[in-house]
Amino acid sequence: AQSVAQPEDQVNVAEGNPLTVKCTYSVSGNPYLFWYVQYPNRGLQFLLKYITGDNLVKGSYGFEAEFNKSQTSFHLKKPSALVSDSALYFCAVRDSDSNYQLIWGAGTKLIIKP
Amino acid sequence: SQTIHQWPATLVQPVGSPLSLECTVEGTSNPNLYWYRQAAGRGLQLLFYSVGIGQISSEVPQNLSASRPQDRQFILSSKKLLLSDSGFYLCAWSLRENSPLHFGNGTRLTVT
Repeated sequence: AQSVAQPEDQVNVAEGNPLTVKCTYSVSGNPYLFWYVQYPNRGLQFLLKYITGDNLVKGSYGFEAEFNKSQTSFHLKKPSALVSDSALYFCAVRDSDSNYQLIWGAGTKLIIKP
Repeated sequence: SQTIHQWPATLVQPVGSPLSLECTVEGTSNPNLYWYRQAAGRGLQLLFYSVGIGQISSEVPQNLSASRPQDRQFILSSKKLLLSDSGFYLCAWSLRENSPLHFGNGTRLTVT
């Protein structure tokens, strides 16, 4: 069955430190992977996606994600965290062999402390 | 540029009352349209999606229905709200299957 896992309910990072938000997936075909961010009482905003090509994908607000096929992971990273990065982060995957609906992770709350 | 409008931002309705939430997209044609519900500030549940006027697919059987009377208009409705319909409702659009979703700012519905 297709699935997405975000194993950490919450991640705490000090401002200026690197951050990683983890995501692993399981699909039967080729994965199309996405990261979104949600600020309180707002809709989700698209950060970046992996469809094909380079395993390191760069996105908005200085975020990047690394696609690792052998580990079926797509972790979100940023070299230096900002307090304003504090938000809820969602990983999502679409299976190339299925219809075009996204499978969503449960979300990870990222807290950046000054 | 494309924009998505969703209203109202907040809504408090009594049990048994009807519901109508509206979403419109500007700056694009023939988008795929989606209604999601987010409960407890976390998990996203796809309720309906539409690939064209009058074409609605339902993902989860429930007390809600959706309609797409115009190319860039998507409406979420209920004839009689239940307490369990409370939540944060998000409308979204995309151009193609592998394009990112673009979300509205959501409607927080409280059924009392």
